[in-house]
Amino acid sequence: KAGVTQTPRYLIKTRGQQVTLSCSPISGHRSVSWYQQTPGQGLQFLFEYFSETQRNKGNFPGRFSGRQFSNSRSEMNVSTLELGDSALYLCASSPTRRISYNEQFFGPGTRLTVL
Amino acid sequence: GENVEQHPSTLSVQEGDSAVIKCTYSDSASNYFPWYKQELGKRPQLIIDIRSNVGEKKDQRIAVTLNKTAKHFSLHITETQPEDSAVYFCAASKMPDKLIFGTGTRLQVFP
Repeated sequence: KAGVTQTPRYLIKTRGQQVTLSCSPISGHRSVSWYQQTPGQGLQFLFEYFSETQRNKGNFPGRFSGRQFSNSRSEMNVSTLELGDSALYLCASSPTRRISYNEQFFGPGTRLTVL
Repeated sequence: GENVEQHPSTLSVQEGDSAVIKCTYSDSASNYFPWYKQELGKRPQLIIDIRSNVGEKKDQRIAVTLNKTAKHFSLHITETQPEDSAVYFCAASKMPDKLIFGTGTRLQVFP
């Protein structure tokens, strides 16, 4: 089975721009979660999607949004980029929402640099 | 709100020694505690997890202990090897809720 894939792997944007990141989960996985990873803060939960609906949201401003399609692929969007948005964005997929019953498999991440 | 504190932030050990990483969680309703290992430039991978109805779990050289009363859990790695060098993250979750991660521990194992 192919693993979780994320595109693009690297992205450079300037302040004020917007960006869209894509995540393709493992085939058959219906839950996709997004995390922001920075050196000082570790992994911070952004949101989780299951069956095309946002089920959980972390403490991020409204500039961060996402969606999930019927094939479980997910996108996240960041509008009006700020320097502090520079980070590695990881998505993780699992078969169901029950994290403790099904391991979350992480993608390789998208490295976003905001200049 | 929900919070997971992780210590130490860096840990250096000699090959063959043991390493211990400790985490404390704030939400007493948390019931699932996974540990992830992230090697340089790679994605996090689950190495061991424990549920709140278990006090200890072992898998070869790694073990996790949970103290629900004190709301802390620890990762123990015995007989460390250079390939154990990585960043380790603890996390806590209220099933089926989101995972709250600690800030990570960079473990260096010197030959």
